[in-house]
Amino acid sequence: AQTVTQSQPEMSVQEAETVTLSCTYDTSENNYYLFWYKQPPSRQMILVIRQEAYKQQNATENRFSVNFQKAAKSFSLKISDSQLGDTAMYFCAFMKHEEPAPRGATNKLIFGTGTLLAVQP
Amino acid sequence: SAVISQKPSRDICQRGTSLTIQCQVDSQVTMMFWYRQQPGQSLTLIATANQGSEATYESGFVIDKFPISRPNLTFSTLTVSNMSPEDSSIYLCSVAKGTAGTDTQYFGPGTRLTVL
Repeated sequence: AQTVTQSQPEMSVQEAETVTLSCTYDTSENNYYLFWYKQPPSRQMILVIRQEAYKQQNATENRFSVNFQKAAKSFSLKISDSQLGDTAMYFCAFMKHEEPAPRGATNKLIFGTGTLLAVQP
Repeated sequence: SAVISQKPSRDICQRGTSLTIQCQVDSQVTMMFWYRQQPGQSLTLIATANQGSEATYESGFVIDKFPISRPNLTFSTLTVSNMSPEDSSIYLCSVAKGTAGTDTQYFGPGTRLTVL
């Protein structure tokens, strides 16, 4: 079974600074996807970034980038130039690759326990 | 992505009653899912809502407690039956638009349920 671990329950960063959130996972699969979602106080889950395991290049989305280390099963998120609106709970998630998914199969997202990030003015 | 709405956004219910939560998407999607997020916790998948057939439930979740409907490719409901205070959670639906097994899931805004 796959597991996702986020070892930092809470983190704080000053506005405009850079912060890195850690995530490790355990799987015997070779093909999978990794995600970072953010959940602000409004509770809407918002996709931040997605990484395909077969790609060596780290994914980037504007101020957000990941450091994907497949051998180490590590998937950290770096937020550059932190903004007050980045304050949120951040969840790392794993999804096994199946194409096409067998009937009745679940494309289950397995979430970590989350890291609460506070951006300080 | 897709625009996803959920109704109600929140509710306070008495134990022993049932609540049906609706999830509406602005376009046809391949997959729809229901998750539960207990207070201060991460998300756990309840079931996959299959269009035109019975939902596929995860271990620990049963149809009698969480009946799900999905009459078409843009709509699904989750019912929380015979509620107890332990059912107090945020319930979120998510959708995947593309080929099953590879596509990113996008989430609705959630329904905050409090059971007294």
